[in-house]
Amino acid sequence: GQNIDQPTEMTATEGAIVQINCTYQTSGFNGLFWYQQHAGEAPTFLSYNVLDGLEEKGRFSSFLSRSKGYSYLLLKELQMKDSASYLCAVRGGSGGYNKLIFGAGTRLAVHP
Amino acid sequence: DGGITQSPKYLFRKEGQNVTLSCEQNLNHDAMYWYRQDPGQGLRLIYYSQIVNDFQKGDIAEGYSVSREKKESFPLTVTSAQKNPTAFYLCASSPRDRGYEAFFGQGTRLTVV
Repeated sequence: GQNIDQPTEMTATEGAIVQINCTYQTSGFNGLFWYQQHAGEAPTFLSYNVLDGLEEKGRFSSFLSRSKGYSYLLLKELQMKDSASYLCAVRGGSGGYNKLIFGAGTRLAVHP
Repeated sequence: DGGITQSPKYLFRKEGQNVTLSCEQNLNHDAMYWYRQDPGQGLRLIYYSQIVNDFQKGDIAEGYSVSREKKESFPLTVTSAQKNPTAFYLCASSPRDRGYEAFFGQGTRLTVV
């Protein structure tokens, strides 16, 4: 089966850096995704990792270690608008079928 | 413009009635997904489909049914067998079953009255 764990809540200060961790267990692995979701809205795609290492995209970076079943999302120069839930998702499965499974999400509150 | 459309945005249902949520995409994506989200919770997979005329149960399929007769469409029926159907329902699609990110519709908020 698949299992994804991430912290429930985090707080940070405007202008600071925050790291949101995600650990996963899956039978078969075909990529890890990070999404941002504001309350009452649909998730929007932030990043994708399939190989080990760091992917950087502006203020957002995501890291993956497949051997450890571990990823993190790094947000730099935090802004108030970054207050949202951040969802870690893993594509994986067996028998030719690939599910896209989400963690419960981390609610990030950015304060002045 | 290409995109994924869910309708309606808000839906009210009387207890004991079946209701169908629409999901249409014109992105030529092969894979489509249905998720349920409860307040303050993450997304839970109901059903997914990787190709026309084929679909698989997710983690919480009981009380739900789907069809995939066309590549563009993946409707979800919430049946009276679903004991707690009030939730936010999200449909997503992706270009293929591995590698590419999923794009989401704007969601349907279903309330049972």
